[in-house]
Amino acid sequence: DSGVTQTPKHLITATGQRVTLRCSPRSGDLSVYWYQQSLDQGLQFLIQYYNGEERAKGNILERFSAQQFPDLHSELNLSSLELGDSALYFCASSREGDHYEQYFGPGTRLTVT
Amino acid sequence: QQPVQSPQAVILREGEDAVINCSSSKALYSVHWYRQKHGEAPVFLMILLKGGEQKGHDKISASFNEKKQQSSLYLTASQLSYSGTYFCGTEGKNYGQNFVFGPGTRLSVLP
Repeated sequence: DSGVTQTPKHLITATGQRVTLRCSPRSGDLSVYWYQQSLDQGLQFLIQYYNGEERAKGNILERFSAQQFPDLHSELNLSSLELGDSALYFCASSREGDHYEQYFGPGTRLTVT
Repeated sequence: QQPVQSPQAVILREGEDAVINCSSSKALYSVHWYRQKHGEAPVFLMILLKGGEQKGHDKISASFNEKKQQSSLYLTASQLSYSGTYFCGTEGKNYGQNFVFGPGTRLSVLP
């Protein structure tokens, strides 16, 4: 158990819908990362937050957005969902913004039908 | 830019050694190594910072050549539990550069 929690574990929704994925980092960790992993694919970095502020942006679509709240939990919002958005979404946290190991949550499996 | 990993896949017998390489076209501050077993989340193995260092624990070690922007992960006397996909992650030297994972190397250890 990494100490990072993600909810929900599984999500099935229809095309065009909007969903919110939630992540709670390890106690004391200030930085949160979001990754997308499609079937048997690598980990695509989406976005990073550090202490409530956006730190770095990766290949995140305009239909996706995220934020980190004062209690440091983070939410990833996915809208106008397409079939291709079906994937495993991981959240990871680290102690500081950079140069520290990342601890991954168990992931949220999103299926768009 | 995504780092390049080689080989893409490797099959070993228990007790054999393996080397996984990771290289980047940009100057790096650090290299991370993670292992992901099928159906599970990635797990941190080690991080190497600039300055060219080598780290290890148990029978897994890694090196980082900052000048060549390359890192190698060494698995010695592999065990069945080493099976999984190994990802290197690279962090650029400039503030705000994305942390990027390589495509992964799939390692299978057979009895």
